Amino acid sequence: KNQVEQSPQSLIILEGKNCTLQCNYTVSPFSNLRWYKQDTGRGPVSLTIMTFSENTKSNGRYTATLDADTKQSSLHITASQLSDSASYICVVSASGGGNKLTFGTGTQLKVEL
Amino acid sequence: DAGVIQSPRHEVTEMGQEVTLRCKPISGHDYLFWYRQTMMRGLELLIYFNNNVPIDDSGMPEDRFSAKMPNASFSTLKIQPSEPRDSAVYFCASSAGGAEETQYFGPGTRLLVL
Repeated sequence: KNQVEQSPQSLIILEGKNCTLQCNYTVSPFSNLRWYKQDTGRGPVSLTIMTFSENTKSNGRYTATLDADTKQSSLHITASQLSDSASYICVVSASGGGNKLTFGTGTQLKVEL
Repeated sequence: DAGVIQSPRHEVTEMGQEVTLRCKPISGHDYLFWYRQTMMRGLELLIYFNNNVPIDDSGMPEDRFSAKMPNASFSTLKIQPSEPRDSAVYFCASSAGGAEETQYFGPGTRLLVL
């Protein structure tokens, strides 16, 4: 069964600090992995999309890594800001499955002063 | 572009009533997705369309749910009859292509069935 597991479930950090969120998946055959940011009361917004051949991709202070051999991904946030407080969702797509996506349950990040 | 537009933003209804959620995708996008999000289950894909044709509805929970896309700029998700367990946030998303493309989400419809 295709699954995506994220850790930690929730995280509190001080403004300015870095943090790393983890995503492990068992989706096969793998097509791509996406990280979404979802602010409270809003729809998810795409941060990065990575395919099998990509092992790192950055979007401003967000850097995602992918290890397709170990089926792990991480999202690193540098110099966190209060506006980074949100839920971060890892989503994996299987190839040959059209747009069939498997969602993680998300990591709830809170950045405090 | 205004992004994906959903209406209503909030809906409160009584069990047994019909509920219709509406979505206008981003102009030019040929894929449209309906999702449901709850605290317990997270985000779930219900159904998606390509060029107005339903491609995969395996995520639709039961026959009480139906979705249509009569044209490239409008889609509806209908629940009839509604039940309290249908209470969730329903998102519509669109993309300009298949699995490799970014999906753009609407603001969601928060549904409460009493």
